[in-house]
Order: sequence, then C-alpha cells, then structure tokens
Amino acid sequence: KQEVTQIPAALSVPEGENLVLNCSFTDSAIYNLQWFRQDPGKGLTSLLLIQSSQREQTSGRLNASLDKSSGRSTLYIAASQPGDSATYLCAVGTGFQKLVFGTGTRLLVSP
Amino acid sequence: ETGVTQTPRHLVMGMTNKKSLKCEQHLGHNAMYWYKQSAKKPLELMFVYSLEERVENNSVPSRFSPECPNSSHLFLHLHTLQPEDSALYLCASKGWAGAHTGELFFGEGSRLTVL
Repeated sequence: KQEVTQIPAALSVPEGENLVLNCSFTDSAIYNLQWFRQDPGKGLTSLLLIQSSQREQTSGRLNASLDKSSGRSTLYIAASQPGDSATYLCAVGTGFQKLVFGTGTRLLVSP
Repeated sequence: ETGVTQTPRHLVMGMTNKKSLKCEQHLGHNAMYWYKQSAKKPLELMFVYSLEERVENNSVPSRFSPECPNSSHLFLHLHTLQPEDSALYLCASKGWAGAHTGELFFGEGSRLTVL
C-alpha cells in the first residue's frame, strides 16, 4: 500500500529565505507526482505536476524535483514571501485515477 | 470564477437530515472525484466517476451516495450521517478519464458539520 510522508509537518521562516519541503513515498511505481497549496478553509490549488519520466518542473519561484528510485520529491521555494504561507501537499498518482496524499507541511513566512 | 465550483460552501445538518453537495466543473473534463479531508489526516479518496460511470468506491459507507448525471456535474447525497462525518468534502476533476497522468483540479470544498 502506497504511503506518502511529508517532513517537516510545520515550518516557520522569515521572509526572503529559500526553503525546501520534502515528500517521500514508499512505492516507486508511480505515474506522476503533484504538489498542491491549500489556504485555510479552502480547496487545493495545483502548483506543479511531474510525470514519472521527468526529473523536475519549474513555475516562477517554485521548483519541484522527483527521484523515483529513492521515493522522494522536494519542493523548493525561492525568496519566500508572506503570501506563500499555506499548507503544501504532495500527492502521488498510483494507478487508474488515484492520487495518494501526504498530510502536508504547514508553512508560515513572517514579514 | 474557479474551474470547479462547489455548493454549498458550508453546511450544518442533524443526523436525521438529508442533504446534497453539488460540484460543477467548467473545464471540459470527463473524470470527477469526491475526496474527504478530516483534521490531521491525509485526503481520502471516496468516489471516482469516469465518463459518468462510477469506477471507484473506496469502502465508503452507504450513507454517502454519489450521483453523476453528466460529465460536468457531480453530487454527493447525504443521509443519516454521524458526527464523525464532519469534514471538508472536496470535489476534483481531471481532463481525460483514461489517462493516468493528468493533472487534478480541485474546488473550494464544502465544509460539513454534523450535529
């Protein structure tokens, strides 16, 4: 059974810092990996989607990498801003239509 | 306007009530999902509809009844719920039902409280 773990569970940094969020999964047989952002009481916003054949994806200040063989993905956020404060979730695509989610990393960026 | 719209955003109901959650997607997708998000737990997949057919029922109690009348609309009918069913219910859609690799888009969620 696929399990997804995100470390740390919570992270607090001052504005301007570069930071890394980690996601690990137990079964490397995945189709893709998707990073989401969730603001309190809101739905999920897709940030980046990495297909299993890809190593990384970039969007603005965000860069996500994927190492299938080691079961790891990282989300790198450059020059963090208070507006980046949210919970970040990773999810792996494990088969027909299924995404398995981690419990998320709650990020707080202070001014 | 978001591509996936959920109503109502907030719902409070008693254990004997019957209510429904509605999801509508404006993205031309043909796969739709219901997820449940409880505090301190990962999102749990409840149901998957592909081309208006239910292809996944993830051991969900029968007090939750999904309906997909067409590829743009998805409902979750609720009856005789329990307090532990209180959660954020999220609807999502994906472009091509047959693809393993598509990107999932979520609505804002319906916050359900069962008294």
